Formats: sequence, C-alpha cells, structure tokens
Amino acid sequence: QKEVEQNSGPLSVPEGAIASLNCTYSDRGSQSFFWYRQYSGKSPELIMFIYSNGDKEDGRFTAQLNKASQYVSLLIRDSQPSDSATYLCAVESQAGTALIFGKGTTLSVSS
Amino acid sequence: EPEVTQTPSHQVTQMGQEVILRCVPISNHLYFYWYRQILGQKVEFLVSFYNNEISEKSEIFDDQFSVERPDGSNFTLKIRSTKLEDSAMYFCASSPGPRNTEAFFGQGTRLTVV
Repeated sequence: QKEVEQNSGPLSVPEGAIASLNCTYSDRGSQSFFWYRQYSGKSPELIMFIYSNGDKEDGRFTAQLNKASQYVSLLIRDSQPSDSATYLCAVESQAGTALIFGKGTTLSVSS
Repeated sequence: EPEVTQTPSHQVTQMGQEVILRCVPISNHLYFYWYRQILGQKVEFLVSFYNNEISEKSEIFDDQFSVERPDGSNFTLKIRSTKLEDSAMYFCASSPGPRNTEAFFGQGTRLTVV
C-alpha cells in the first residue's frame, strides 16, 4: 500500500518569499509524482508533475525529486496571497491509473 | 475551456437510501475516475474506468459502490445503501489517455448522509 506523507502545516510565508513544500513516499518503485493545488471547497488542480530525479521548473514553480531519499518537494518563488491554498502531493498507483494523495500542506501567504 | 461537469453540486440523502452521482467528462476523454474527500481528510481514489470496464479500484470501492457509463456522455457513481460515513465530497475526473498528467477534476458533489 503506497503512502504519501506531508506536513499538514500551516506554512506561513510573507508575500514575495519562497515557499518550500515537502513530501515523502513509501514505495521505492513509484515513478510519477504530482503536485496539486486545492483551494478551500474546490477541486484539486494540477500544478506540475515530475518523473526524473532533479528539478523541473514551470514559471514560479519548481518541483524537485530525489528517488534515493523518496522525497519530492515544490518550491514557489515570489509567493503571492493568491497562492494561499492546500498543496497536495500525489503518486501514481502501481497499475498507473490512480493517484494516491497525501493529506496536503496548507500554505498561507501574507501581504 | 472544456471542463468536467458534476451534478448535483450538493446532495442530501437519508441513511440507507441509494444515490447516483453524475458526471459529464470532457468529450474526447476516454478514462474516467471517481475520488472522494471526507471533510478535513485526504483525497482518496475510488475507481478508474476505461472501455466500459473498471481498470482499477481501491479497498473503499466495495459492493455498495458501482459505476456506469449509461450513454456516450455521462459517467455515474451509484452508492446502493448510504451510510453516515459516506458523507464526503465526491470528485469525478477524466483524461484522454491513461496518464494522470492530463487528468482534469470536476468541481465535486458534496454528499451529506443524514
């Protein structure tokens, strides 16, 4: 059974700062990793996915993957109040058609 | 922009009643999913569906649950005899292929069992 662990937070950062969100996963065979953003009462929205060790950048977002340490992170540069949300880390199931989510980290960006 | 549409947005039902949650996936998508999120808890996978068959299901998806694609547009989740613990937000998602990188979630149906 795959498990995904996240610190529930809240993580509080001032506007313009870098927010760092972390996630660990239990299955060393996991291949695909996802970061979703979920505003309160809304559905998850995909921010980024990453397959390979190292960094992947998309605008203000950078995903980092370290398979040896079974660790995924998301950096948000120049954080904005609109980034305040819960960030969900997910891994694909072994069969590849399901996403296994962590509980999420709540980010609060103050102006 | 195409979107996954779910109806109703909120459903209240009595314990023991059957409910059907409806979803209209994005039109050219072939893979369909149901997830649920109990208030304050994590998003949990229920089932994936492709080519009129279940591709994968979780331990949560027991005999009280079923899915169906009754026509070319709708994808439904039926809960046969609802329990209080079925109260949750239910999300439908769809993707054009089997990769979750292209999956889009609907806005959810909040199910309240009383």
